Amino acid sequence: GAGVSQSPRYKVAKRGQDVALRCDPISGHVSLFWYQQALGQGPEFLTYFQNEAQLDKSGLPSDRFFAERPEGSVSTLKIQRTQQEDSAVYLCASSLGSGLARETQYFGPGTRLLVL
Amino acid sequence: GESVGLHLPTLSVQEGDNSIINCAYSNSASDYFIWYKQESGKGPQFIIDIRSNMDKRQGQRVTVLLNKTVKHLSLQIAATQPGDSAVYFCAEKGNTGFQKLVFGTGTRLLVSP
Repeated sequence: GAGVSQSPRYKVAKRGQDVALRCDPISGHVSLFWYQQALGQGPEFLTYFQNEAQLDKSGLPSDRFFAERPEGSVSTLKIQRTQQEDSAVYLCASSLGSGLARETQYFGPGTRLLVL
Repeated sequence: GESVGLHLPTLSVQEGDNSIINCAYSNSASDYFIWYKQESGKGPQFIIDIRSNMDKRQGQRVTVLLNKTVKHLSLQIAATQPGDSAVYFCAEKGNTGFQKLVFGTGTRLLVSP
């Protein structure tokens, strides 16, 4: 399909483990966003890339969270030393242009992370 | 199946009824508003958007109304169908720089056949 894809769809980690979540945006999309969605809540912004440049990481909750998009396409969100409060659905979205103003963000299905 | 949310406000309607879902947004400087539909186990799906210089916009079976005076947004779904059952989120964007989405808390819509 031509939509945003994410892998894995489900991830169970023991507390203290590192995890890596992958996002494949729509081909040609310049902007890529990561959001975190806790159960029963709306998604919350984590970080934003324009091509390979990470222009905003103000939503990352701690220095255990790290994101990259080295070639301006696929992105990886890495969480080090996972904690139980990291359990959530991690959503990736992409948009065609620079992320300005009136651009539709297309979301992937998310990765559900459960930290035991 | 898994639930998107367990304690969300819920609107229950009968198939064929019209549904109205409300949202209060927070930032008076927001310039652009979007409604998303999220089904269980899926990511948010774009439904309709509206800019702050408009007060109404219509799509197929959906209408969005914007009242900037009271910072209120609503989504009207005509002739609601069982396939419309989902959680609905409003989201807002600011008017400077790049735009992260700020989501509201969501409303679960349940449509009975």
